[in-house]
Amino acid sequence: DQQVKQNSPSLSVQEGRISILNCDYTNSMFDYFLWYKKYPAEGPTFLISISSIKDKNEDGRFTVFLNKSAKHLSLHIVPSQPGDSAVYFCAARVAGGGNKLTFGTGTQLKVEL
Amino acid sequence: KAGVTQTPRYLIKTRGQQVTLSCSPISGHRSVSWYQQTPGQGLQFLFEYFSETQRNKGNFPGRFSGRQFSNSRSEMNVSTLELGDSALYLCASSSRDSYGYTFGSGTRLTVV
Repeated sequence: DQQVKQNSPSLSVQEGRISILNCDYTNSMFDYFLWYKKYPAEGPTFLISISSIKDKNEDGRFTVFLNKSAKHLSLHIVPSQPGDSAVYFCAARVAGGGNKLTFGTGTQLKVEL
Repeated sequence: KAGVTQTPRYLIKTRGQQVTLSCSPISGHRSVSWYQQTPGQGLQFLFEYFSETQRNKGNFPGRFSGRQFSNSRSEMNVSTLELGDSALYLCASSSRDSYGYTFGSGTRLTVV
């Protein structure tokens, strides 16, 4: 049972435009959500997170939006840069669940010149 | 500040063998989690150790086990290897129930 879903395996965006990566979840007990970026042969790198008590969190070019009623979150990257090309994973944590993260299957973002 | 160190980086084993992977967390971090990444499956949680105790366990068979030492270093063991165990194994460390998790570069295990 895939509790965290990233339905778009890939996304292609032009440099300078906005990249929007989406993530849906089914478990109402998730209280904290994270986005990670991963290059081949490297471990995931933390990008940005959001608590379930908020609906938006911003950090530089990265903004995460959370819609709890729709069980949906999205990562916006503005402006997109070629160095942003990587696989992006959405992850979620259950309240009181220690440090166990449930990950989506990832979205490959390609930022073209 | 040193990051999370995983050794070895690459490993080739034969079916039926066993393997031990090592993870050294960031200094001061007491929680270590392990994940398996296979193509199309994302990252699957294996287990988490905190202060030498297993705190969480994922849905993997008993062939997958782990432990944590008093210095917070962790090892993961897979016995009776199967071809399907070929994957990237990632370790992540964090301080006590923090909201930040730092991953190592992983160990690429190939079972032939």
